[in-house]
Amino acid sequence: DGGITQSPKYLFRKEGQNVTLSCEQNLNHDAMYWYRQDPGQGLRLIYYSQIVNDFQKGDIAEGYSVSREKKESFPLTVTSAQKNPTAFYLCASSIGDRSEQYFGPGTRLTVT
Amino acid sequence: RKEVEQDPGPFNVPEGATVAFNCTYSNSASQSFFWYRQDCRKEPKLLMSVYSSGNEDGRFTAQLNRASQYISLLIRDSKLSDSATYLCVVNGDTGFQKLVFGTGTRLLVSP
Repeated sequence: DGGITQSPKYLFRKEGQNVTLSCEQNLNHDAMYWYRQDPGQGLRLIYYSQIVNDFQKGDIAEGYSVSREKKESFPLTVTSAQKNPTAFYLCASSIGDRSEQYFGPGTRLTVT
Repeated sequence: RKEVEQDPGPFNVPEGATVAFNCTYSNSASQSFFWYRQDCRKEPKLLMSVYSSGNEDGRFTAQLNRASQYISLLIRDSKLSDSATYLCVVNGDTGFQKLVFGTGTRLLVSP
């Protein structure tokens, strides 16, 4: 089955620790995206990548980093510099940068 | 003004009812429009794209009004399983497909 997987589903970390969220897709999509969703707010774009070995900052990139070494994978690192890291993180992909985006099941990160 | 605005609801309707949601967007250069459905604590799932001529998929009909900058979603013969939050999504730029998500309209369908 083709799709997007994210792991883990739930993640708990102590303040000051970096944490990496996994996102893998086998849809052969070129573009991949990371969003965060907070209660009562729309999804906000953190980073996106239109092609392997290239990525761009979204609207709220501060405190996050990404890599795109393989077409299938787009991991997101939440660093200790991110002031409010507790959120629902969603990874998405699309065929190109002008088509519908499809989402993975998300990772709920709680930092205490 | 928010880029994409939606009535948060909730819209409470009985099974079998017809319900409509509107969404307004601020960027007149937007080219792509979508409705996504999001169940509680789950990821958004694409419901339908919205084309200039409008489109229909079973019980769901989407319309675009470029002059007034709004899109609508009509659900006929509501089912209990339609209970969810419906997200209006618009692309914000004519270049890279940066999608701007509304905060969603919550629908509750009761027996």
